Amino acid sequence: SAVISQKPSRDICQRGTSLTIQCQVDSQVTMMFWYRQQPGQSLTLIATANQGSEATYESGFVIDKFPISRPNLTFSTLTVSNMSPEDSSIYLCSVEDGTRARQYFGPGTRLTVT
Amino acid sequence: KQEVTQIPAALSVPEGENLVLNCSFTDSAIYNLQWFRQDPGKGLTSLLLIQSSQREQTSGRLNASLDKSSGRSTLYIAASQPGDSATYLCAVTSTGGGNKLTFGTGTQLKVEL
Repeated sequence: SAVISQKPSRDICQRGTSLTIQCQVDSQVTMMFWYRQQPGQSLTLIATANQGSEATYESGFVIDKFPISRPNLTFSTLTVSNMSPEDSSIYLCSVEDGTRARQYFGPGTRLTVT
Repeated sequence: KQEVTQIPAALSVPEGENLVLNCSFTDSAIYNLQWFRQDPGKGLTSLLLIQSSQREQTSGRLNASLDKSSGRSTLYIAASQPGDSATYLCAVTSTGGGNKLTFGTGTQLKVEL
């Protein structure tokens, strides 16, 4: 199974600023996923990041708000731009162990926007 | 659009009791279904994965079943322990949705001494 770390684990940010979340995997993976979990809600997929190509965003999420980088097969970043209190959530990255196989999740980044 | 629902939303049981968590999904065209547990501040842990061709999977005290045609899955936890207290999430990978997971609403389980 993959071991995934995220930085930061939590942060408190001011409205209008941006935060970049890092996701590091201990093995090479093709696809990485970014999810958001709003307070009291389940997880919603933001985008899928493949190395060497543009991220694919789900309906309701746009690149200007959530730019993603995927410079290699073990690392990805998600930036939450121009933050508002509605962006307060837990952000999680995940990877897939093979095609349509188990997904493994990082510990998440708890973001609070004031 | 795939929708996943879990019942009950919350459950409190005494230690030692056997329990069943329920998951239903609206579109039976799935590749697989996964059960996760979520502990506060610790992300998600994958518990079981059932392929669409399978009927059940077992891991220790956990047994998950899948009835794809009716759009239902159950997670059976035997001899519950306080350490089982967590939120349990089911998620499906739909055939028309790439590799993305659609998550259920979760069941918050508390096992009391």
